Amino acid sequence: EAQVTQNPRYLITVTGKKLTVTCSQNMNHEYMSWYRQDPGLGLRQIYYSMNVEVTDKGDVPEGYKVSRKEKRNFPLILESPSPNQTSLYFCASIANPYEGTDTQYFGPGTRLTVL
Amino acid sequence: AQSVTQLGSHVSVSEGALVLLRCNYSSSVPPYLFWYVQYPNQGLQLLLKYTTGATLVKGINGFEAEFKKSETSFHLTKPSAHMSDAAEYFCAVISNFGNEKLTFGTGTRLTIIP
Repeated sequence: EAQVTQNPRYLITVTGKKLTVTCSQNMNHEYMSWYRQDPGLGLRQIYYSMNVEVTDKGDVPEGYKVSRKEKRNFPLILESPSPNQTSLYFCASIANPYEGTDTQYFGPGTRLTVL
Repeated sequence: AQSVTQLGSHVSVSEGALVLLRCNYSSSVPPYLFWYVQYPNQGLQLLLKYTTGATLVKGINGFEAEFKKSETSFHLTKPSAHMSDAAEYFCAVISNFGNEKLTFGTGTRLTIIP
């Protein structure tokens, strides 16, 4: 089954404790992206990757890092989480970037709480 | 830069009634427009999309939307609401094909009244 998986689905942590949220897709998609969803703000892009070893900032990259060492995985790293990073995070992927017509497939989300 | 405005953060309709969720966009280039649905505790699922061609787009679960360039709108409709339609709905636009970034509206939570 074609899917995007995220782990963990729920995470409660404390300020400053490094964490990684994993994202994996089994569709051999080139493009992957991270969004955060906050009430009243919709979803905002954090980082995206057009292919392996190619990453770039989205609209709200501060406090986040990503890596794309292999095509299927795109982890989101919070080196020193802060309470304002409490949010619902979604990973997404597309087969064919540059066209805009392909459907973005979203993972199930990771709900992060930073105390 | 593109933007999306969804009028009404909460919409309630009776079961069997017309569903109308409003979306207006701004874009300096011809946009590609999308509606996504989010059921509780789930990720986003594509309902329908407009890229080029016919301006009336049909999607899954009986939903459809019409692209009106003159009104910069892409409203989502369904003739008869079902209880299973209760969810949050997001309108989104891509107009920067360099990074495939979806710019989302703030969402509309649809409640169905039995």
